[in-house]
Amino acid sequence: SQQGEEDPQALSIQEGENATMNCSYKTSINNLQWYRQNSGRGLVHLILIRSNEREKHSGRLRVTLDTSKKSSSLLITASRAADTASYFCATVGDGTSYGKLTFGQGTILTVHP
Amino acid sequence: KAGVTQTPRYLIKTRGQQVTLSCSPISGHRSVSWYQQTPGQGLQFLFEYFSETQRNKGNFPGRFSGRQFSNSRSEMNVSTLELGDSALYLCASKVGIGGDIQYFGAGTRLSVL
Repeated sequence: SQQGEEDPQALSIQEGENATMNCSYKTSINNLQWYRQNSGRGLVHLILIRSNEREKHSGRLRVTLDTSKKSSSLLITASRAADTASYFCATVGDGTSYGKLTFGQGTILTVHP
Repeated sequence: KAGVTQTPRYLIKTRGQQVTLSCSPISGHRSVSWYQQTPGQGLQFLFEYFSETQRNKGNFPGRFSGRQFSNSRSEMNVSTLELGDSALYLCASKVGIGGDIQYFGAGTRLSVL
């Protein structure tokens, strides 16, 4: 079953603009990860944020985590056409879930040149 | 280092048949997880193996099974195929048993006719 919602379901922007995607989840977590998927292929890991962290940066990516609201956001700055993909948040529970990733429904991002 | 390799990439089967999918993890990775991706249900966890033992299992019927070999390669089997089993099956590997970054293969697209 899905962990929660991602919002928006689809986002269309121009190159150079920023893209923000939001993710909500239901249970307590060990960490939250963001993945990118191009055209139904394998997922590529983007960034991992642990439950005791509030913000993390990696290149043009900025992730925030609010455990009190059970939500996270992914910001991609200065978007490029190559950023066009589906983006998924995934949580790892804080119990004995080991490596199980529970995914959100995903946001389809389209960046127009 | 070679990435996660899944074979075959595409597969067409008919209802009632069985199928075996293969996954070779990144060298040194001992954990392998399997996920099913469909347009309706999204990405769902099937199971995780670590050192030849199933550590976690998702909410799928017993027709879905897997195993891991001593070299960490993994196979998943689906028996008595149903139309609803048509999906992209993704394998992911990671070093250990914790909730770390997972590295995904390109997937096997199964079509059941």
